[in-house]
Amino acid sequence: SAVISQKPSRDICQRGTSLTIQCQVDSQVTMMFWYRQQPGQSLTLIATANQGSEATYESGFVIDKFPISRPNLTFSTLTVSNMSPEDSSIYLCSVKRGVQETQYFGPGTRLLVL
Amino acid sequence: SQQGEEDPQALSIQEGENATMNCSYKTSINNLQWYRQNSGRGLVHLILIRSNEREKHSGRLRVTLDTSKKSSSLLITASRAADTASYFCATDHTGGFKTIFGAGTRLFVKA
Repeated sequence: SAVISQKPSRDICQRGTSLTIQCQVDSQVTMMFWYRQQPGQSLTLIATANQGSEATYESGFVIDKFPISRPNLTFSTLTVSNMSPEDSSIYLCSVKRGVQETQYFGPGTRLLVL
Repeated sequence: SQQGEEDPQALSIQEGENATMNCSYKTSINNLQWYRQNSGRGLVHLILIRSNEREKHSGRLRVTLDTSKKSSSLLITASRAADTASYFCATDHTGGFKTIFGAGTRLFVKA
């Protein structure tokens, strides 16, 4: 298994500002991902965080809006830039040790944009 | 859309009854996972079934996988009020490494 922590656990932000969410894993993992869960909805993959290189974004998500860093195999950040109320969601960090292995999730960051 | 499909969208049963949730997907998979999410909280991993497996059990949970129909089911037997949650299936597709989630089923178990 993997123990994943996220900071902050929740935040209330003003429109137009940016928030950086941190994800820390208790051991090295091959793959890290960022998901978004809008109220009452399922999870949508934002991007794959690649260690030492640019993240791979899914359709509908762009680097300017959601810059991601992954400096090592245990840590990643997701920034939600120039926020609007539509960005109010839960943002979840997730990891896998291998391609066909169990995927684990952090507790999530609950973001409310006013 | 990234999502697979799950049905029903919502299910309400009495405590002690069995609950069955279904998941369908579109392309070949390496494995399929089921997760539970209590209201607004984190995801709890329930079970992983690989593409060469047809059935797995874990306690009161039974998962089946039919790759010819591209579908899976999650059965919770002898349900309890504490089973009230949203349940999601998630698929790892062949040739990739991303996990894509279904729309989820909201289960309500009445005491």
